[in-house]
Amino acid sequence: SQQGEEDPQALSIQEGENATMNCSYKTSINNLQWYRQNSGRGLVHLILIRSNEREKHSGRLRVTLDTSKKSSSLLITASRAADTASYFCATDLKRGKLIFGQGTELSVKP
Amino acid sequence: ETGVTQTPRHLVMGMTNKKSLKCEQHLGHNAMYWYKQSAKKPLELMFVYNFKEQTENNSVPSRFSPECPNSSHLFLHLHTLQPEDSALYLCASSQDRRAEDNSPLHFGNGTRLTVT
Repeated sequence: SQQGEEDPQALSIQEGENATMNCSYKTSINNLQWYRQNSGRGLVHLILIRSNEREKHSGRLRVTLDTSKKSSSLLITASRAADTASYFCATDLKRGKLIFGQGTELSVKP
Repeated sequence: ETGVTQTPRHLVMGMTNKKSLKCEQHLGHNAMYWYKQSAKKPLELMFVYNFKEQTENNSVPSRFSPECPNSSHLFLHLHTLQPEDSALYLCASSQDRRAEDNSPLHFGNGTRLTVT
Protein backbone atom coordinates (compact mmCIF):
# COMPACT_ATOMS: atom_id res chain seq x y z
CA SER A 1 0.00 0.00 0.00
CA GLN A 2 1.10 3.57 -0.58
CA GLN A 3 3.18 5.65 1.80
CA GLY A 4 0.89 8.67 2.04
CA GLU A 5 -2.87 8.55 2.20
CA GLU A 6 -5.08 11.62 2.35
CA ASP A 7 -8.40 11.82 4.07
CA PRO A 8 -11.05 12.71 3.05
CA GLN A 9 -10.83 11.94 -0.66
CA ALA A 10 -13.24 14.78 -1.38
CA LEU A 11 -14.38 17.76 0.65
CA SER A 12 -17.02 20.35 -0.21
CA ILE A 13 -17.43 23.49 1.89
CA GLN A 14 -18.82 27.01 1.68
CA GLU A 15 -16.65 30.04 1.19
CA GLY A 16 -15.43 31.38 4.51
CA GLU A 17 -15.39 27.99 6.23
CA ASN A 18 -12.22 26.21 7.26
CA ALA A 19 -11.01 23.12 5.41
CA THR A 20 -9.02 20.38 7.10
CA MET A 21 -7.26 17.60 5.22
CA ASN A 22 -5.35 14.75 6.80
CA CYS A 23 -2.45 12.64 5.66
CA SER A 24 -1.17 9.39 7.14
CA TYR A 25 2.07 7.64 6.28
CA LYS A 26 3.80 4.43 7.20
CA THR A 27 7.57 4.84 7.49
CA SER A 28 10.05 7.32 8.96
CA ILE A 29 10.42 10.56 7.06
CA ASN A 30 12.81 13.49 6.70
CA ASN A 31 10.03 15.93 6.00
CA LEU A 32 6.48 16.09 4.77
CA GLN A 33 5.31 18.46 2.07
CA TRP A 34 1.92 19.65 0.92
CA TYR A 35 1.13 20.52 -2.68
CA ARG A 36 -1.84 21.91 -4.52
CA GLN A 37 -2.97 21.09 -8.05
CA ASN A 38 -5.50 23.03 -10.05
CA SER A 39 -7.33 21.12 -12.75
CA GLY A 40 -5.12 20.44 -15.77
CA ARG A 41 -2.05 22.04 -14.21
CA GLY A 42 1.08 20.92 -12.42
CA LEU A 43 1.49 20.69 -8.68
CA VAL A 44 2.49 23.74 -6.70
CA HIS A 45 4.43 23.44 -3.45
CA LEU A 46 2.62 24.96 -0.47
CA ILE A 47 4.56 24.16 2.66
CA LEU A 48 7.26 21.85 4.03
CA ILE A 49 7.40 20.64 7.62
CA ARG A 50 10.45 18.83 8.94
CA SER A 51 10.29 15.74 11.10
CA ASN A 52 11.44 17.71 14.16
CA GLU A 53 8.73 20.36 13.74
CA ARG A 54 5.18 20.07 15.05
CA GLU A 55 3.42 23.01 13.46
CA LYS A 56 4.02 25.48 10.68
CA HIS A 57 2.08 28.42 9.29
CA SER A 58 2.04 30.15 5.93
CA GLY A 59 -0.65 32.77 5.38
CA ARG A 60 -4.01 31.02 5.71
CA LEU A 61 -2.34 27.60 5.82
CA ARG A 62 -1.52 25.72 8.97
CA VAL A 63 0.22 22.35 8.90
CA THR A 64 0.73 20.03 11.83
CA LEU A 65 2.87 16.93 12.05
CA ASP A 66 2.58 14.14 14.60
CA THR A 67 5.43 11.71 14.03
CA SER A 68 4.23 9.40 16.81
CA LYS A 69 0.97 8.89 14.92
CA LYS A 70 2.61 9.22 11.51
CA SER A 71 0.09 11.80 10.46
CA SER A 72 -0.18 15.38 9.27
CA SER A 73 -2.99 17.80 8.72
CA LEU A 74 -3.43 20.82 6.46
CA LEU A 75 -5.84 23.49 7.59
CA ILE A 76 -6.97 26.23 5.22
CA THR A 77 -8.71 28.99 7.13
CA ALA A 78 -11.36 31.34 5.72
CA SER A 79 -11.51 29.41 2.47
CA ARG A 80 -12.13 31.09 -0.88
CA ALA A 81 -13.54 29.78 -4.14
CA ALA A 82 -10.02 30.10 -5.56
CA ASP A 83 -8.84 27.45 -3.07
CA THR A 84 -10.76 24.85 -5.08
CA ALA A 85 -8.13 22.32 -6.12
CA SER A 86 -6.65 18.94 -5.25
CA TYR A 87 -4.28 18.85 -2.31
CA PHE A 88 -1.54 16.27 -1.93
CA CYS A 89 0.78 15.34 0.84
CA ALA A 90 4.20 13.99 -0.04
CA THR A 91 6.55 12.20 2.27
CA ASP A 92 10.27 12.52 1.87
CA LEU A 93 11.66 9.11 2.69
CA LYS A 94 15.12 8.90 4.19
CA ARG A 95 16.51 7.35 1.03
CA GLY A 96 15.58 10.50 -0.83
CA LYS A 97 12.36 9.65 -2.67
CA LEU A 98 9.33 11.90 -2.53
CA ILE A 99 6.14 9.81 -2.45
CA PHE A 100 2.73 11.39 -3.05
CA GLY A 101 -0.65 10.39 -1.73
CA GLN A 102 -3.82 10.18 -3.77
CA GLY A 103 -4.96 13.64 -2.81
CA THR A 104 -8.02 15.39 -1.43
CA GLU A 105 -10.31 17.18 -3.87
CA LEU A 106 -11.47 20.39 -2.24
CA SER A 107 -14.45 22.27 -3.59
CA VAL A 108 -15.19 25.69 -2.12
CA LYS A 109 -18.59 27.01 -3.11
CA PRO A 110 -19.13 30.77 -3.31
CA GLU B 1 4.73 30.77 -15.29
CA THR B 2 6.15 27.94 -13.23
CA GLY B 3 9.81 28.03 -14.27
CA VAL B 4 9.42 24.49 -15.59
CA THR B 5 8.14 24.26 -19.15
CA GLN B 6 6.81 21.08 -20.71
CA THR B 7 6.02 20.49 -24.36
CA PRO B 8 3.78 19.47 -25.91
CA ARG B 9 0.81 20.11 -23.61
CA HIS B 10 -1.23 17.45 -25.36
CA LEU B 11 -0.15 14.44 -27.39
CA VAL B 12 -2.14 11.72 -29.12
CA MET B 13 -0.17 8.82 -30.47
CA GLY B 14 -0.75 5.37 -31.82
CA MET B 15 0.80 2.30 -30.29
CA THR B 16 3.40 2.04 -33.05
CA ASN B 17 4.50 5.67 -32.96
CA LYS B 18 7.66 7.11 -31.47
CA LYS B 19 7.40 10.48 -29.75
CA SER B 20 9.29 12.50 -27.17
CA LEU B 21 8.23 14.69 -24.30
CA LYS B 22 10.39 17.67 -23.45
CA CYS B 23 10.98 19.46 -20.19
CA GLU B 24 13.07 22.56 -19.55
CA GLN B 25 13.69 24.30 -16.23
CA HIS B 26 14.94 27.85 -15.76
CA LEU B 27 15.46 27.66 -12.00
CA GLY B 28 19.09 26.62 -11.81
CA HIS B 29 18.16 23.30 -10.21
CA ASN B 30 20.30 20.20 -10.38
CA ALA B 31 17.69 17.47 -10.07
CA MET B 32 14.91 16.63 -12.51
CA TYR B 33 12.09 14.11 -12.34
CA TRP B 34 9.42 12.42 -14.41
CA TYR B 35 6.14 11.55 -12.69
CA LYS B 36 3.09 9.81 -14.14
CA GLN B 37 -0.36 10.88 -12.96
CA SER B 38 -3.24 8.57 -13.82
CA ALA B 39 -6.86 9.10 -12.82
CA LYS B 40 -7.70 7.91 -9.29
CA LYS B 41 -4.08 6.90 -8.58
CA PRO B 42 -1.26 8.61 -6.69
CA LEU B 43 1.52 10.26 -8.61
CA GLU B 44 4.03 7.63 -9.65
CA LEU B 45 7.71 8.53 -9.61
CA MET B 46 9.29 7.25 -12.82
CA PHE B 47 12.83 8.62 -13.08
CA VAL B 48 15.16 10.89 -11.15
CA TYR B 49 18.24 12.64 -12.50
CA ASN B 50 20.73 14.41 -10.29
CA PHE B 51 23.51 16.38 -11.97
CA LYS B 52 22.60 14.64 -15.25
CA GLU B 53 23.01 11.16 -13.74
CA GLN B 54 20.05 8.86 -13.41
CA THR B 55 19.66 8.03 -9.73
CA GLU B 56 16.24 6.42 -9.77
CA ASN B 57 14.39 4.17 -12.17
CA ASN B 58 11.22 3.09 -10.47
CA SER B 59 10.76 -0.18 -12.39
CA VAL B 60 9.54 1.68 -15.44
CA PRO B 61 8.96 -0.38 -18.64
CA SER B 62 11.62 0.02 -21.29
CA ARG B 63 9.12 1.58 -23.70
CA PHE B 64 9.80 4.75 -21.67
CA SER B 65 13.35 6.00 -22.16
CA PRO B 66 14.57 9.12 -20.35
CA GLU B 67 17.38 11.39 -21.46
CA CYS B 68 19.01 14.22 -19.54
CA PRO B 69 21.61 16.00 -21.68
CA ASN B 70 22.18 18.74 -19.10
CA SER B 71 20.75 19.93 -15.79
CA SER B 72 18.21 22.15 -17.54
CA HIS B 73 16.68 19.69 -19.98
CA LEU B 74 14.93 16.38 -19.61
CA PHE B 75 13.30 14.23 -22.25
CA LEU B 76 11.07 11.20 -22.13
CA HIS B 77 11.23 9.13 -25.31
CA LEU B 78 8.18 7.01 -25.97
CA HIS B 79 7.82 4.00 -28.26
CA THR B 80 5.32 1.17 -28.68
CA LEU B 81 3.16 2.45 -25.84
CA GLN B 82 -0.01 0.79 -24.61
CA PRO B 83 -3.43 2.43 -24.05
CA GLU B 84 -2.93 2.09 -20.28
CA ASP B 85 0.04 4.45 -20.61
CA SER B 86 -2.41 7.28 -21.27
CA ALA B 87 -1.92 9.75 -18.42
CA LEU B 88 -0.62 13.17 -17.45
CA TYR B 89 3.18 13.13 -17.46
CA LEU B 90 4.67 15.68 -15.12
CA CYS B 91 8.21 16.94 -15.06
CA ALA B 92 9.65 18.51 -11.92
CA SER B 93 12.94 19.97 -10.73
CA SER B 94 14.55 20.68 -7.38
CA GLN B 95 17.87 21.49 -5.77
CA ASP B 96 20.48 18.78 -5.26
CA ARG B 97 18.76 15.54 -4.25
CA ARG B 98 21.81 14.27 -2.44
CA ALA B 99 21.16 16.67 0.41
CA GLU B 100 19.44 14.89 3.28
CA ASP B 101 16.93 17.68 3.70
CA ASN B 102 15.26 17.45 0.33
CA SER B 103 13.92 20.65 -1.11
CA PRO B 104 10.47 21.13 -2.66
CA LEU B 105 9.70 20.16 -6.22
CA HIS B 106 8.75 22.65 -8.90
CA PHE B 107 6.42 21.11 -11.46
CA GLY B 108 5.62 21.87 -15.05
CA ASN B 109 2.01 21.80 -16.24
CA GLY B 110 2.41 18.37 -17.75
CA THR B 111 1.82 16.65 -21.05
CA ARG B 112 -1.56 14.98 -21.41
CA LEU B 113 -0.79 11.81 -23.34
CA THR B 114 -3.42 9.70 -25.05
CA VAL B 115 -2.42 6.39 -26.61
CA THR B 116 -4.87 5.06 -29.17
